[in-house]
Amino acid sequence: GENVEQHPSTLSVQEGDSAVIKCTYSDSASNYFPWYKQELGKGPQLIIDIRSNVGEKKDQRIAVTLNKTAKHFSLHITETQPEDSAVYFCAASRTGGYQKVTFGIGTKLQVIP
Amino acid sequence: GAVVSQHPSWVICKSGTSVKIECRSLDFQATTMFWYRQFPKQSLMLMATSNEGSKATYEQGVEKDKFLINHASLTLSTLTVTSAHPEDSSFYICSASLRTVLSTDTQYFGPGTRLTVL
Repeated sequence: GENVEQHPSTLSVQEGDSAVIKCTYSDSASNYFPWYKQELGKGPQLIIDIRSNVGEKKDQRIAVTLNKTAKHFSLHITETQPEDSAVYFCAASRTGGYQKVTFGIGTKLQVIP
Repeated sequence: GAVVSQHPSWVICKSGTSVKIECRSLDFQATTMFWYRQFPKQSLMLMATSNEGSKATYEQGVEKDKFLINHASLTLSTLTVTSAHPEDSSFYICSASLRTVLSTDTQYFGPGTRLTVL
């Protein structure tokens, strides 16, 4: 089965700096890679996703890059703000009727004002 | 769009009782819904995959007779924790799969249900 590794497990940055979270996956058939943000006591929110036919995707201050050859993908948050503080999960899955998603362990991001 | 709700948001029950949690996709039809369990400071653990009109597929190690899943319509799935015990206390989260023109694998999550069994 798929195995997703994520690091770092915790990350502290100063407000305005950039934050980078990295993930690797094991299943070469995976081709969908979502990122979720989870605030305390709430469900995960999809913040950005990327598919294997795309190498990079950007949405305002958030960008995700994908290297299929190396089987790794990364989340980049620029100009961090205190409200970016949360736990971020990367995930991987195969496209298809059974869309099981495998999650990384999560990264607790703290943005220091 | 793509809003998923859960009810209740939290529940406290006595050991031995059963608890039902509802998951609804509010503005889209979800052919597939998923149930996850999350312990404090840990990742999400998939419990089962639920397809409308058919039996749920449970992950290895998840007791199907303890965690009953019903997916009666394209907008509603329920998880019933039967004969709950303190070790069942956890954060239960559902997600619903949004079928799009491009793919069938975008999942949107509900806000979660905190279950505490006394």
